[in-house]
Amino acid sequence: TQLLEQSPQFLSIQEGENLTVYCNSSSVFSSLQWYRQEPGEGPVLLVTVVTGGEVKKLKRLTFQFGDARKDSSLHITAAQPGDTGLYLCAGDTGTASKLTFGTGTRLQVTL
Amino acid sequence: KAGVTQTPRYLIKTRGQQVTLSCSPISGHRSVSWYQQTPGQGLQFLFEYFSETQRNKGNFPGRFSGRQFSNSRSEMNVSTLELGDSALYLCASSLTRDRIVNEQFFGPGTRLTVL
Repeated sequence: TQLLEQSPQFLSIQEGENLTVYCNSSSVFSSLQWYRQEPGEGPVLLVTVVTGGEVKKLKRLTFQFGDARKDSSLHITAAQPGDTGLYLCAGDTGTASKLTFGTGTRLQVTL
Repeated sequence: KAGVTQTPRYLIKTRGQQVTLSCSPISGHRSVSWYQQTPGQGLQFLFEYFSETQRNKGNFPGRFSGRQFSNSRSEMNVSTLELGDSALYLCASSLTRDRIVNEQFFGPGTRLTVL
């Protein structure tokens, strides 16, 4: 069973702070996706990274895929209350049509 | 383009009953996957359908089943409900399972409560 461990599990910070969420596995993934989920809603895709070492920026969010394609990180600069939510990483092995989801990081950003 | 829709959004059932949940994928998407989300276990893969065929299955008992219709709409059924089946059931559609990048787009989910 492939496991994706995310850390930290919970994060409560103030507006304007920076943070990094980590997603680690012992398995290699052909691609890795990051989602954000708000209460009562389904996850919303933020980004997909495919190439080892790839870095993608989405406004204040920076995503990195590890060189060995086993881990990823999400860095948020100057967090805002609107960033509050559950962040999930999900790995795709490319051989099966299912995603393996990480354990999740619940982020709360307060004023 | 309309997103993934799921009906109903909320459902309350009692133990022993059965339930059917419905999912309409994004137009043109042929792959539909189902996931169960609980606070303790997180998001767990149930099964995936592509062109009316189940192509992949997670580690859930046979009480959980699904099907896909020719228009790609999908239903999942849970028979003999147990208290532990209380969860948010999410449906996700993707363009095709043959793509290297399996980007999935999720619906809002059906919140099932079993009493």
